[in-house]
Amino acid sequence: EPEVTQTPSHQVTQMGQEVILRCVPISNHLYFYWYRQILGQKVEFLVSFYNNEISEKSEIFDDQFSVERPDGSNFTLKIRSTKLEDSAMYFCASSPRGDHNYGYTFGSGTRLTVV
Amino acid sequence: LAKTTQPISMDSYEGQEVNITCSHNNIATNDYITWYQQFPSQGPRFIIQGYKTKVTNEVASLFIPADRKSSTLSLPRVSLSDTAVYYCLVGDINLGLTGGGNKLTFGTGTQLKVEL
Repeated sequence: EPEVTQTPSHQVTQMGQEVILRCVPISNHLYFYWYRQILGQKVEFLVSFYNNEISEKSEIFDDQFSVERPDGSNFTLKIRSTKLEDSAMYFCASSPRGDHNYGYTFGSGTRLTVV
Repeated sequence: LAKTTQPISMDSYEGQEVNITCSHNNIATNDYITWYQQFPSQGPRFIIQGYKTKVTNEVASLFIPADRKSSTLSLPRVSLSDTAVYYCLVGDINLGLTGGGNKLTFGTGTQLKVEL
């Protein structure tokens, strides 16, 4: 079964540092997403990406966040200057279409710890 | 987006059938019901989706009554490995065909704990 791969699985960074979380979506998928889950809380939508541009973003996704698909296979989330409250699990997801007919495939996540 | 209500937690034993009910009183005509499963420290995983009556796959069954104001996820003969959080999502699955994608809105889900 095809998988969404995320690296690293765990990253520790100091407050104020930049981090890049990486994802390799399923190869024939066209829509890409980032979600996050703070420990003990809900899974929250951050951003959706299609045709090399952001199609929707949440209030969480402020100017400190950016996404990129640099080479046609990787999909990255960058946080420019991390804050303590950015500590969370970050999940990448992809789907073949923009609708929900087949569900989305999520990766196993990157646990980001900001100290 | 239709609001959903699920039990916060449920306990069961191995080999039993588990039924998790989700209430969605303001479901719209175009809305489908989708269930995801999430294990600790992993991303959610799509389980099943339906519009009305009954849907069954190799993992679960989904029962939806005629008024569609609720739905029940049925897990047959659960095992310890079914311990997870189960999310009920309701929305128009056809949104996003114009090219923008469609975000998923997760609630708090139901924490299912299966014991020996």
